[in-house]
Parts: sequence; structure tokens; C-alpha cells
Amino acid sequence: KNEVEQSPQNLTAQEGEFITINCSYSVGISALHWLQQHPGGGIVSLFMLSSGKKKHGRLIATINIQEKHSSLHITASHPRDSAVYICAVRGNYGGSQGNLIFGKGTKLSVKP
Amino acid sequence: DGGITQSPKYLFRKEGQNVTLSCEQNLNHDAMYWYRQDPGQGLRLIYYSQIVNDFQKGDIAEGYSVSREKKESFPLTVTSAQKNPTAFYLCASSILPATSGPNEQFFGPGTRLTVL
Repeated sequence: KNEVEQSPQNLTAQEGEFITINCSYSVGISALHWLQQHPGGGIVSLFMLSSGKKKHGRLIATINIQEKHSSLHITASHPRDSAVYICAVRGNYGGSQGNLIFGKGTKLSVKP
Repeated sequence: DGGITQSPKYLFRKEGQNVTLSCEQNLNHDAMYWYRQDPGQGLRLIYYSQIVNDFQKGDIAEGYSVSREKKESFPLTVTSAQKNPTAFYLCASSILPATSGPNEQFFGPGTRLTVL
């Protein structure tokens, strides 16, 4: 079983829709990251959070440490939001303490 | 502009040849990382370096080698011992080592390596 699971794997939405991407993890963490990967391959960090909620523009990220779950929401989605969204957690155990463990990503396509 | 550069964007090599992927950062970051991305898989850590002249193996280091002679440079060599070298390779850096606490990683544009 993967330590970081994302759902859904693929998501198609109409422009303007509210979008939610989920991330569940099974290890102890000190932080969770949401990343965006565009078709060209480059990755941009969207959020790093360890509790509560963060908002940046139309993007909102929440985390529930007790439930080991995080969500990324996109309000008023736009075709330019089409990308792969990756959840990654910073483990707090073992020899590679602190290194990131990545989910497989959620591919989002927003149609005009 | 500060950032991470990887070159080239696309790289083709014949089977059995070693190839070195470049990663340079001008962010003055202490830590640097190499990841591999395969279709349908999450990023996997190959090697990381927390400081100049020091580096550690990640989860999939076999068939790879690195050096960290300068703070700004962390080249990755894919050797002929790597059984499935065709992949997308991403370099990243962070201001502090991961063991120092949560801090953001900045990623380069990636190099797509194809071994023929």
C-alpha cells in the first residue's frame, strides 16, 4: 500500500466548477506539500502546511492531522488550472527523516 | 532571476553509455535533491545532498552517482548499471536540509532522458 494516496487519479471539470482533490497518508508527518506540475514537466510548490488551512487566490488547502487527510480546493476553476496536482508529505521517521514522500498525482483537466 | 536550471530538456543516449544530467541553482540553497518520475508513479528520491561535499542515497540510488563539489551544482550521472534509465529526472533544492525542519523545495524544469 502506498504511504500517500490521492483521489481521484483523473478529474475533468467544466470551467467555473469547484474542484476538490484529496490526499490521505499513513505515516507520521511534520508537513504536507501540494505541488502543481504543468504539461511541460516543471513543478511549482503551491502550499506547505502542517495544520489548519491556507489560501492563495482561488486555491485553498486544508489538513486534518488526526485523520491523516488533506484536501486541495480550486474555486471558479479555469482551463489554465489544468495540470497534475501532487501531494507530498514530509516524514518524521527513519533514516531519510525529513525527505518527501510523493503521491502519484491527480490529473486535472478543465474544459472551457 | 533566481532559480534552478537543468540541461538539456531532452537527452538521448545509447544503451550502455553513461550520461550526466546537469542541475544548477543560484538560490544559495544548502540542500539539493534528485528525483525520478515514471508514468503513473510518484516522484522517487535518487540522491540528496544537505551540504557541499556530502550526499546520501535516496530510495532508488542503484545505478546512479552524484557529486557536490560546489554549493550551486549537483550533477547526476546515470550509469550503464541502471537497468531502466528512461525517465523524467527532476532536480530540486531547499534553503535548509530536510532534517532541519519543514521547508519548501523548489524544482527545476526537468530533463527527459531516453535511452535507445
